[in-house]
Amino acid sequence: AQSVTQPDIHITVSEGASLELRCNYSYGATPYLFWYVQSPGQGLQLLLKYFSGDTLVQGIKGFEAEFKRSQSSFNLRKPSVHWSDAAEYFCAVGVGTYKYIFGTGTRLKVLA
Amino acid sequence: SQTIHQWPATLVQPVGSPLSLECTVEGTSNPNLYWYRQAAGRGLQLLFYSVGIGQISSEVPQNLSASRPQDRQFILSSKKLLLSDSGFYLCAWSVSGDVQETQYFGPGTRLLVL
Repeated sequence: AQSVTQPDIHITVSEGASLELRCNYSYGATPYLFWYVQSPGQGLQLLLKYFSGDTLVQGIKGFEAEFKRSQSSFNLRKPSVHWSDAAEYFCAVGVGTYKYIFGTGTRLKVLA
Repeated sequence: SQTIHQWPATLVQPVGSPLSLECTVEGTSNPNLYWYRQAAGRGLQLLFYSVGIGQISSEVPQNLSASRPQDRQFILSSKKLLLSDSGFYLCAWSVSGDVQETQYFGPGTRLLVL
């Protein structure tokens, strides 16, 4: 079955600390992978995507993600978190031209 | 550049009343359009998608319907709202024809049915 798992519902980090948000997927074909961020009451903004090529993908706002096929993972990282990064983060896998499967999200809290 | 608009931003409606949410896209032609519902702790659920005027595909049978009267306009409707229709509704668009399309989301509409 096709699925996306974000095992951490909530994560709290201190400002300036490093961050890693986990994402695991189950999909039989070549995955197209996305990370989106959602600020409270707002729509989703695309952070980065992986379609092919270099497995380390750079995105906006200083985020990066690494695709590991052997682990079926696409974890999101940032070396130093800013207070403005507090938001909810969604991982998604493209399972056809039009269709995504989204994870249930990880809510990030940043301590000053 | 492309922009996507949704209105209203917030809506409070009584049970049994009709619904009309609107989404418009600017700066692109013939986009694919999507309606999602987001419930707390449950991620995003695709409700409808459209690849052209008058072409609607439904992903989940329910109390809602969608229409695309113009190339860049997508409308979500209901004749009679249920309490379970409460949620955050997101419209999205993508460039048609890509092997895997990247979706770009609007600001959303929060619907509360009382």
